[in-house]
Amino acid sequence: QKEVEQNSGPLSVPEGAIASLNCTYSDRGSQSFFWYRQYSGKSPELIMSIYSNGDKEDGRFTAQLNKASQYVSLLIRDSQPSDSATYLCAVKRGGNKLTFGTGTQLKVEL
Amino acid sequence: GAVVSQHPSRVICKSGTSVKIECRSLDFQATTMFWYRQFPKQSLMLMATSNEGSKATYEQGVEKDKFLINHASLTLSTLTVTSAHPEDSSFYICSARESSGGATDTQYFGPGTRLTVL
Repeated sequence: QKEVEQNSGPLSVPEGAIASLNCTYSDRGSQSFFWYRQYSGKSPELIMSIYSNGDKEDGRFTAQLNKASQYVSLLIRDSQPSDSATYLCAVKRGGNKLTFGTGTQLKVEL
Repeated sequence: GAVVSQHPSRVICKSGTSVKIECRSLDFQATTMFWYRQFPKQSLMLMATSNEGSKATYEQGVEKDKFLINHASLTLSTLTVTSAHPEDSSFYICSARESSGGATDTQYFGPGTRLTVL
């Protein structure tokens, strides 16, 4: 079982729709959860961090965390073509290293 | 937000040569920096954790004598790929941790270095 699992996609959504990206993790001791966006040929860019159960909203982005189900998701409202990228889920236990999923490729179509 | 730079952004070298990559935190002090490698269409794989003033901690399977890491100051870490071979061609990315290492600290990534070994 992978430590952090994501569907590789591609996930295709029409412009203006809501994109829903999902991630599950295996370590119940994980305390910190991150979503990074990575454009092709570029390094990851932090989108959201979440530490407590529930929802956290930042502009068009909402991160959702359910520690009981070991599940974290990212919703992107009003998706734009510029949101087309690979989204990486990362988790961390305490102050230790980040563990990344393989990423979900998102395509927002005109 | 915190800014991390990397230099060079792209390097092409001949097999057998050594290549040094610099990672700098520009507007904060980073007690810990991380070095990742990413092959095409794969996720980031942590190579090593670099702590200022001490030896780096390498992940399993990463040769410490081949990938030399030096974290000489709170704003600079270097990765030297020694005797590079074509299979070392990859995208190398560093990141820096802004605070002391608690659960809520964040890693900020540099722009990456594309290494091509001929």
